[in-house]
Amino acid sequence: KAGVTQTPRYLIKTRGQQVTLSCSPISGHRSVSWYQQTPGQGLQFLFEYFSETQRNKGNFPGRFSGRQFSNSRSEMNVSTLELGDSALYLCASKTIAGGNTGELFFGEGSRLTVL
Amino acid sequence: AQSVTQLDSQVPVFEEAPVELRCNYSSSVSVYLFWYVQYPNQGLQLLLKYLSGSTLVKGINGFEAEFNKSQTSFHLRKPSVHISDTAEYFCAVSSSFGNEKLTFGTGTRLTIIP
Repeated sequence: KAGVTQTPRYLIKTRGQQVTLSCSPISGHRSVSWYQQTPGQGLQFLFEYFSETQRNKGNFPGRFSGRQFSNSRSEMNVSTLELGDSALYLCASKTIAGGNTGELFFGEGSRLTVL
Repeated sequence: AQSVTQLDSQVPVFEEAPVELRCNYSSSVSVYLFWYVQYPNQGLQLLLKYLSGSTLVKGINGFEAEFNKSQTSFHLRKPSVHISDTAEYFCAVSSSFGNEKLTFGTGTRLTIIP
């Protein structure tokens, strides 16, 4: 079974631009979560999508948005990029089937650098 | 809501020595507990998890953790570390009721000294 796939792995943007990151979950997983990881703040929860609906949301400004498609693939978008948005963005999927424990399966991340 | 505290941000250990990485959690309901490892430039990988039953949980790469409900702790241990264990380790908690998000600690960077 293929793991969680994130694209692109690395990207460089300049302030004011926008970026879209993509995540394909493990086959059969219908929940996709996004996390921002920075050296100073650790792992910060962005949002979770299930069945194309946002189920949980962290404390990030409206510049951070996401969506989920009917095939469970998810994208997140950051508009009007700021230097502080430089981070590793991690996507994780999980099953919502019976016996769900909350265990997340992570992709390798998309490393965004904002210049 | 749940919270997790990892008491040490960095732990240096000599190769082949034992190590303990500490994790305490807070929750008003019963919980599931996890340890994840992150190697450089990679995502997080599950080391082990506690769901119920035996309080001593064994994971991959020779790691184990003990769930202590009275002390609300879930410390990670390995009797003899190797250079390849150099990584960041994250403790995480979720409620055992419903589909709540996983809450992570701030991480402990384990450095193995040759």
